[in-house]
Amino acid sequence: GAVVSQHPSWVICKSGTSVKIECRSLDFQATTMFWYRQFPKQSLMLMATSNEGSKATYEQGVEKDKFLINHASLTLSTLTVTSAHPEDSSFYICSASGERDSYEQYFGPGTRLTVT
Amino acid sequence: AQSVAQPEDQVNVAEGNPLTVKCTYSVSGNPYLFWYVQYPNRGLQFLLKYITGDNLVKGSYGFEAEFNKSQTSFHLKKPSALVSDSALYFCAVRDSPPGYALNFGKGTSLLVTP
Repeated sequence: GAVVSQHPSWVICKSGTSVKIECRSLDFQATTMFWYRQFPKQSLMLMATSNEGSKATYEQGVEKDKFLINHASLTLSTLTVTSAHPEDSSFYICSASGERDSYEQYFGPGTRLTVT
Repeated sequence: AQSVAQPEDQVNVAEGNPLTVKCTYSVSGNPYLFWYVQYPNRGLQFLLKYITGDNLVKGSYGFEAEFNKSQTSFHLKKPSALVSDSALYFCAVRDSPPGYALNFGKGTSLLVTP
């Protein structure tokens, strides 16, 4: 089946620094990638949707300048948390869809971000 | 907007007994429904989906789900639970175009005891 990887799997950074998380589709071309955020024991909340070569579409309440998303190729999307603060600590999960009308999304293993 | 509801925060079942994890949906148009499982500190694993066709959908690890249009439900079931089934289960519905994102329920924690 389709495989999506994320790197790093966990990261600890100091408040005020920026962190980049990578999401890669390993064996298929992902025209659309999604970034979700999950707080402990809670559901996944969609942050943004990105299509290859286009600007990401952010959900209401998500700061575009804080969570920078780049989908430069059909196999890679990145999420950069800029000027991170402790409240940005969370579990970030990406997913990828192979084609515009595909019904299925393939999820990465997630990245645990802790901001101290 | 499309949405799903999972009315139970936790479901407890003894190993070997049948299990049901409930999900109801609210959509405009045809529903595209999914079940995912999440183990601690891990991403989501796909279990099964309903797009169209038979109301009983069979998925991974012996799970199945029944689509019930009149009751707007999509309950996840397994005839005989295993301790290793203990995890967090999410029901999801695909959003309307153009987003195609998934809207998740709050999740149900399943605990299977020996």
